[in-house]
Amino acid sequence: AQSVTQPDIHITVSEGASLELRCNYSYGATPYLFWYVQSPGQGLQLLLKYFSGDTLVQGIKGFEAEFKRSQSSFNLRKPSVHWSDAAEYFCAVGAQGSNYKLTFGKGTLLTVNP
Amino acid sequence: NAGVTQTPKFQVLKTGQSMTLQCAQDMNHNSMYWYRQDPGMGLRLIYYSASEGTTDKGEVPNGYNVSRLNKREFSLRLESAAPSQTSVYFCASSVDGDQPQHFGDGTRLSIL
Repeated sequence: AQSVTQPDIHITVSEGASLELRCNYSYGATPYLFWYVQSPGQGLQLLLKYFSGDTLVQGIKGFEAEFKRSQSSFNLRKPSVHWSDAAEYFCAVGAQGSNYKLTFGKGTLLTVNP
Repeated sequence: NAGVTQTPKFQVLKTGQSMTLQCAQDMNHNSMYWYRQDPGMGLRLIYYSASEGTTDKGEVPNGYNVSRLNKREFSLRLESAAPSQTSVYFCASSVDGDQPQHFGDGTRLSIL
């Protein structure tokens, strides 16, 4: 069975600082990987996805993530955080050929200090 | 450009009452999903519909039923609500099982 671990429940960074949110997955074959962001009281918005090909993927809002098969990781990065990035971030893994049963991590809450 | 629309946005029920949560998408997507989100638990899949006319259980289906009314609409029913079903419910849709899911804004359900 697939699983996702987001080791950090809560991260606080200063505005303008760099950000890295960690995601580790467990899946037997090549996974489909996603990062979603959820602002308070809102639904989830897709930031980026990895299906195949280039292991460094670019997303919206200046985010990027790198798929590292050897480390079973898909960490999310942003070089300079803005106050509006404060939200909860979810990593998710799906099965190649069938994303019906996505497995989500428990989320990382990002606080941005001015 | 509404995307995925969920109604109602908020609801309070008493234990034992029944309730149907509605979801509609206007993106001509084939697949639709219902999740629940509980603090510290991430999202857990309740049911999904890969295509019109089909439904399948997810990780936590007990206590729920679903209906894929047509391509646009996918409803979630609680026949006899229990306090353990207090949660935020999200509907999502995708083109198919190989594409990302798009989420509605959620229904916040409290059961007393």
